[in-house]
Amino acid sequence: GNSVTQMEGPVTLSEEAFLTINCTYTATGYPSLFWYVQYPGEGLQLLLKATKADDKGSNKGFEATYRKETTSFHLEKGSVQVSDSAVYFCALKPGRRALTFGSGTRLQVQP
Amino acid sequence: DTAVSQTPKYLVTQMGNDKSIKCEQNLGHDTMYWYKQDSKKFLKIMFSYNNKELIINETVPNHFSPKSPDKAHLNLHINSLELGDSAVYFCASSSSGGAFTDTQYFGPGTRLTVL
Repeated sequence: GNSVTQMEGPVTLSEEAFLTINCTYTATGYPSLFWYVQYPGEGLQLLLKATKADDKGSNKGFEATYRKETTSFHLEKGSVQVSDSAVYFCALKPGRRALTFGSGTRLQVQP
Repeated sequence: DTAVSQTPKYLVTQMGNDKSIKCEQNLGHDTMYWYKQDSKKFLKIMFSYNNKELIINETVPNHFSPKSPDKAHLNLHINSLELGDSAVYFCASSSSGGAFTDTQYFGPGTRLTVL
């Protein structure tokens, strides 16, 4: 079946630190990959996506590259801000099916 | 201007009651979803409708029943509520358009607490 594995949180960083949140997946075929972000008390927002191998999704300074050979889609940001504190979800979508989410990783950025 | 809206935002009720959560989208999408987020933030698909037809029905207790009166609405009815139903429920929508890469847009969530 399809599954997504994310690193356990919380991840605590100081402002301007480099961020990596690991995400690996198991899927049949070639799914699209997504990162969603959930700010406190809010719904999920799409952060970025990639639809095929070697695609790089990017938004708001965040990046992730679809690596088929390692079945990974790690999220990175060069310099985090306090406002980036949220829960980040990696997800895959195989064809017309619904999203399969990872367990989420809470990021806490301290000033 | 809200793209995907849900009502109510909070719902506190007694065990055994029947309740409904409504979802509406004004994006012109043809596919809608219900997800459940448990206390550990884990999100799981419950149902999906495409053009008012049920296309995804995961292993969900049978006291949950979705209803889609039209493409823009997908409501969730819950009968005989149980303590384990306490969670945050998210509605989402997307456009199928023949592509497999459609982005899903989420509502703000409904926090259901069963006492």
